[in-house]
Amino acid sequence: SYVLTQPPSVSVAPGKTARLTCGGSDIGAKEVHWYQQKPGQAPLLVVYDDTDRPSGIPERFSGSNSGNTATLTISRVEAGDEADYYCQVWDNNSDHDVFGGGTKLTVL
Amino acid sequence: DVQLLESGGGLVQPGGSLRLSCAASGFTFENYAMTWVRQAPGKGLQWVASISGGGEGIYHADSVKGRFTISRDNSKNTLFLQMNSLRGDDTAIYFCAKGTYSSSSFDYWGQGTLVTVSS
Repeated sequence: SYVLTQPPSVSVAPGKTARLTCGGSDIGAKEVHWYQQKPGQAPLLVVYDDTDRPSGIPERFSGSNSGNTATLTISRVEAGDEADYYCQVWDNNSDHDVFGGGTKLTVL
Repeated sequence: DVQLLESGGGLVQPGGSLRLSCAASGFTFENYAMTWVRQAPGKGLQWVASISGGGEGIYHADSVKGRFTISRDNSKNTLFLQMNSLRGDDTAIYFCAKGTYSSSSFDYWGQGTLVTVSS
C-alpha cells in the first residue's frame, strides 16, 4: 500500500517560514491535500490539489509538489498556526485514501 | 452552511457492534462522495471508508474490510458506518467528511463521535 512520510515535528520562530514535507513514491504524480488540526478540533483543509487554497485560508499557506516530495509552506508564521498538519492523497492503484503520519508544528 | 453531525458512538465490548450516523445539511448530499476517517487517542488520522454520491462506489480500508460497512441514505441526507466484530484497536474518534466535486480532498468535517471498545 502507498505510504506517506512526514517528519514528526517542526519548530519555527514567529514571523519565519515553516516548510512541512510529505514524502511518497512519485508523489508528484498525485494530487496532495493538507489539513490543519488543532487540539480537540476536527481537521481543516488548508491546501488542496497541491497548490490551491479553500476560501478563508490565508495566502500565507501555500503548497508545492514534485518528484517524491510535497511541501506545505507557511510564511510569516503566527502563534495560531501551531497545530498538527497532515498530508493526504488518493491512491488510485489501491482505491484507498492515505494520510501521512502528521507533523506537529511548534511556534517557538 | 454545511453541517455534518455524527452520532452513535459509545462504549462497546470487544466483538460487539455499533452503527454510526452522520446527518448532513447545507448542500446537495447526493452529489458528493462521503468518507469516514478515524483518529485513535493521541494518534494520527486514518482513512476508514468512502462512498460515492450515488452509493455505487464503495471502498474500505484493509484494516476494517469484512467488519465495517459504509452506506448512505440520500433520501435522509445521512451517511452510516456499520461496525461489527469490534476490537480494541478500533477505539477512536470517528469523523465523517464531505468530498469535493473535482478533487479527492475533504472540505468539511464533522466534530466526530467517540467509539471505545473495552470490556
